[in-house]
Amino acid sequence: QQQVKQSPQSLIVQKGGISIINCAYENTAFDYFPWYQQFPGKGPALLIAIRPDVSEKKEGRFTISFNKSAKQFSLHIMDSQPGDSATYFCAASKRGGTGFQKLVFGTGTRLLVSP
Amino acid sequence: EAQVTQNPRYLITVTGKKLTVTCSQNMNHEYMSWYRQDPGLGLRQIYYSMNVEVTDKGDVPEGYKVSRKEKRNFPLILESPSPNQTSLYFCTSRHPNTGELFFGEGSRLTVL
Repeated sequence: QQQVKQSPQSLIVQKGGISIINCAYENTAFDYFPWYQQFPGKGPALLIAIRPDVSEKKEGRFTISFNKSAKQFSLHIMDSQPGDSATYFCAASKRGGTGFQKLVFGTGTRLLVSP
Repeated sequence: EAQVTQNPRYLITVTGKKLTVTCSQNMNHEYMSWYRQDPGLGLRQIYYSMNVEVTDKGDVPEGYKVSRKEKRNFPLILESPSPNQTSLYFCTSRHPNTGELFFGEGSRLTVL
């Protein structure tokens, strides 16, 4: 119930291509779905987040697509660049009366964008 | 600059030798937590603290202790480290309104 399943584990995309990472969750109480980006030697940092009242959120080349009925959400990176090479984590949480509950992370996707 | 600072960044130790990883945040956040990152397992929460003097176990608390005597500091204590605690550790604090987690740069621990 608390798991977030992420795929693929690793991904190689050519420069200019589209990178797609998928996540699925079980707990229908989750209402906050962020993506974190981690560069080698650094801590993860928030990239983009979505709430279930919208089906899509776009920030620059990064888009989250959300399918509430299927309990799935995905990250699309358009025009992928070598600088996008990083590990990406999806996550999910819910906001209760006392604030946000624990953030549950997926297992991560290692993206390599080849020049 | 808003940041979470943890030390040491790298540490090699031997089984049974007590160690402490310090963590400090300058954002006045109530909520802090510790995660460990292992290949194929992602980020797993060790302990969390809702506020000063209130801490609770996460998903993988065995072998770890924490304390929260001040809002800004949240040290992770390994009383008797074992090789299965070899991992990359992250301290975080959380923005109360947005839910965003702020991560430290990580502490890579090797237990021989």
